[in-house]
Amino acid sequence: NAGVTQTPKFRILKIGQSMTLQCTQDMNHNYMYWYRQDPGMGLKLIYYSVGAGITDKGEVPNGYNVSRSTTEDFPLRLELAAPSQTSVYFCASSYAGGNYGYTFGSGTRLTVV
Amino acid sequence: KQEVTQIPAALSVPEGENLVLNCSFTDSAIYNLQWFRQDPGKGLTSLLLIQSSQREQTSGRLNASLDKSSGRSTLYIAASQPGDSATYLCAVRPQDYGGSQGNLIFGKGTKLSVKP
Repeated sequence: NAGVTQTPKFRILKIGQSMTLQCTQDMNHNYMYWYRQDPGMGLKLIYYSVGAGITDKGEVPNGYNVSRSTTEDFPLRLELAAPSQTSVYFCASSYAGGNYGYTFGSGTRLTVV
Repeated sequence: KQEVTQIPAALSVPEGENLVLNCSFTDSAIYNLQWFRQDPGKGLTSLLLIQSSQREQTSGRLNASLDKSSGRSTLYIAASQPGDSATYLCAVRPQDYGGSQGNLIFGKGTKLSVKP
């Protein structure tokens, strides 16, 4: 049971480039989330999804897009990378809302130069 | 708006000590509270999940308590070891977050260092 898998683990982008951060889970969880973690700032929610075909904005969605075509996959798209998007990105999943706990992936460390 | 605070921000103890990490939250309307461990450059590992109806959860040398009415949780680590060195994050799952269903609100963490 792999849990939540994120790829790549590290990436350096130039300003203006685009990329997709991949996230997949094999636990049949309905809810999936993208967070970013900046030093000393804690984790902030970017986007989340409560099921295939349903996505919604979190606290810091600007500059990002997501899609959820399957239960397993929840990719995060950066269209025009900016230095402010330098961060560590975590994908997470939970079976549902309410009383269920979260499982996190190992993260993607992104640097925009 | 729900806010989560963790005190202290950093803690250094000698091996073998029992220690307590603190977490406070401003709104008691939560589904649950989860403690995570994060090693440098790594992801988050879930340690304990306490539902709002529970008072505590235990796993090995770890014990987490929850006092929802006062907005507090503690993580107790018994007989600390150098391998316990990591950042410990507390997160609550609010019952209402402006429609952001199931979002976790995180504290900034306590960085623990256990010296041999």
